[in-house]
Amino acid sequence: DAGITQSPRHKVTETGTPVTLRCHQTENHRYMYWYRQDPGHGLRLIHYSYGVKDTDKGEVSDGYSVSRSKTEDFLLTLESATSSQTSVYFCAISVLLAVTTNTGELFFGEGSRLTVL
Amino acid sequence: AQSVTQLDSHVSVSEGTPVLLRCNYSSSYSPSLFWYVQHPNKGLQLLLKYTSAATLVKGINGFEAEFKKSETSFHLTKPSAHMSDAAEYFCVVSALALRNAGNMLTFGGGTRLMVKP
Repeated sequence: DAGITQSPRHKVTETGTPVTLRCHQTENHRYMYWYRQDPGHGLRLIHYSYGVKDTDKGEVSDGYSVSRSKTEDFLLTLESATSSQTSVYFCAISVLLAVTTNTGELFFGEGSRLTVL
Repeated sequence: AQSVTQLDSHVSVSEGTPVLLRCNYSSSYSPSLFWYVQHPNKGLQLLLKYTSAATLVKGINGFEAEFKKSETSFHLTKPSAHMSDAAEYFCVVSALALRNAGNMLTFGGGTRLMVKP
């Protein structure tokens, strides 16, 4: 257990509304990631963070923004939700000693299920 | 570029019989390879990983996988299935570097394992 908490765990919203998902970790890990999970696609990286105020895009970043103002919190925002963003969203952290030693092992939260009507 | 193909979206076995979940990968770099398991409504948990040491890798709960470079495969096996093994399994390759954040993970589409009594 890497002390990762996601909120909300379930949310139903309407097209065009803003949505923010929160990932909170308790162990001061530097690297945090947001993935979305869709049937047949596995998990795909949306955005990631390598420190406070340091973020970058993943492979499916369109329509999403992130912020990290504190080490422990990584927020994912959908400025104007669309039905194609209906998905399960996972936050993850990696435990690293240095960037060059990262082999890719991640620890995941339990997911946030978002439905956009 | 890197990619992962899980050859079966669903596998059904009887309790006590062997399990084989197939995975092929492609990568331009020397990859690290992983298998993750996801139980219903849960996050992903690491089963095992290959990082260029022994080609036969043992993981938790009796699972193992063999890295075969000539076949670009990393199949997951278990000699005897248990009811608690019913879950979704993801093969993952890690080779491309994310800017400032270690390696990028690319997930296969997942294989749902069903275990019949």
